[in-house]
Amino acid sequence: QSVLTQPPSVSGAPGQRVTISCTGSSSNIGAGYDVHWYQQLPGTAPKLLLYGNSNRPSGVPDRFSGSKSGTSASLAITGLQAEDEADYYCQSYDSSLSASYVFGTGTKVTVL
Amino acid sequence: QLQLQESGPGLVKPSETLSLTCTVSGGSISSSSYYWGWIRQPPGKGLEWIGSIHYSGTTHYNPSLKSRVTISVDTSKNQFSLKLSSVTAADTAVYYCARQIISLATFDYWGQGTLVTVSS
Repeated sequence: QSVLTQPPSVSGAPGQRVTISCTGSSSNIGAGYDVHWYQQLPGTAPKLLLYGNSNRPSGVPDRFSGSKSGTSASLAITGLQAEDEADYYCQSYDSSLSASYVFGTGTKVTVL
Repeated sequence: QLQLQESGPGLVKPSETLSLTCTVSGGSISSSSYYWGWIRQPPGKGLEWIGSIHYSGTTHYNPSLKSRVTISVDTSKNQFSLKLSSVTAADTAVYYCARQIISLATFDYWGQGTLVTVSS
């Protein structure tokens, strides 16, 4: 069971803005650990989308942005495109007794 | 361009040991800036970190799997490996290897993944 909770699905029409939340606790996001986001297209490996809460690796469009506040983080996709239809995962570090790198439950983005 | 490639049996019997190797090309595994990790994804489910290793041999394991996991590194071959013992059907998953930036705690390069099925 993941310690980072995401909505199972979000959807939007092309051109719209969608956001995905990632809710943690005081032992992970709330403890100050960075949040990273991955995009997983169908049948492929995850790809790093954002690191350090809001930084885009080279080649990632600026339509993708991230933020973090308190025990939560969020990923926003503006100007939604058909190619954005994928699963998205947040990731952080948890310093509880079961200290480990943790992933969110995942969110399926559907472009209507 | 850094590339990672998983290899190993696609079918393992229950109670046996799952063994996978990740071959790194286009870069050296012997960099102090990175860990090299294993992540798995059961069919239709989310991602689970298994563990990571530094080229020096330092390891970090997911506490939930620690008793069954061994990760090792072979710098001469630019490879690192995963062994998961006493497997059950619950260990059926796509197994990914990935590079982990130590300072950022994020996985920036991933292999394509390999499906391992546990079945008799």
